[in-house]
Amino acid sequence: EAGVAQSPRYKIIEKRQSVAFWCNPISGHATLYWYQQILGQGPKLLIQFQNNGVVDDSQLPKDRFSAERLKGVDSTLKIQPAKLEDSAVYLCASSLVPFDSGNSPLHFGNGTRLTVT
Amino acid sequence: AQKVTQAQTEISVVEKEDVTLDCVYETRDTTYYLFWYKQPPSGELVFLIRRNSFDEQNEISGRYSWNFQKSTSSFNFTITASQVVDSAVYFCALSEANTGNQFYFGTGTSLTVIP
Repeated sequence: EAGVAQSPRYKIIEKRQSVAFWCNPISGHATLYWYQQILGQGPKLLIQFQNNGVVDDSQLPKDRFSAERLKGVDSTLKIQPAKLEDSAVYLCASSLVPFDSGNSPLHFGNGTRLTVT
Repeated sequence: AQKVTQAQTEISVVEKEDVTLDCVYETRDTTYYLFWYKQPPSGELVFLIRRNSFDEQNEISGRYSWNFQKSTSSFNFTITASQVVDSAVYFCALSEANTGNQFYFGTGTSLTVIP
């Protein structure tokens, strides 16, 4: 079974520039998550999709971050404009079971390491 | 309030020693799930174990074992006879059935196994 795919692996941009990350979840996984992991901290949920609908985006800084999952499969996360504090690893994860279960483990991609200078 | 607390920030042990990583959680739900993930230097979070709130039976998988105690809201992880390949950051996570599969992660414990 192929895992969660993410690209790019690394990205370096200057503040105020824009950046986009891509995620392809495990085939058949309906739930997709984007997490932000700042160095030395645990992952923090940014947004959760169930198919192509948003389940939770309460911690997404909507003035600069946006995410979409138009066909219920791939997803993109965008930051526009980036700030220095956005430097982090952005992790995509997917899970199999319907969203109100909580029982299915998350399967993570390798992440995209973003450095904002 | 932090739902998952991993008080140990960093631990160093010598190879072949046993080591226990602590995890304390907080929830009002009666149905919830606890997880441990390993994050090696490569960065990917690797799923290790899931435990539901109705199953307090401890589990052993090779050199890994988990001790779930609802009375103390703890879900501790022990590595027996540690190896250098065990060096990683370990995260404990909580998922509550009433909050739609949202996962709450602890801040992680960085384990270094010294050869």
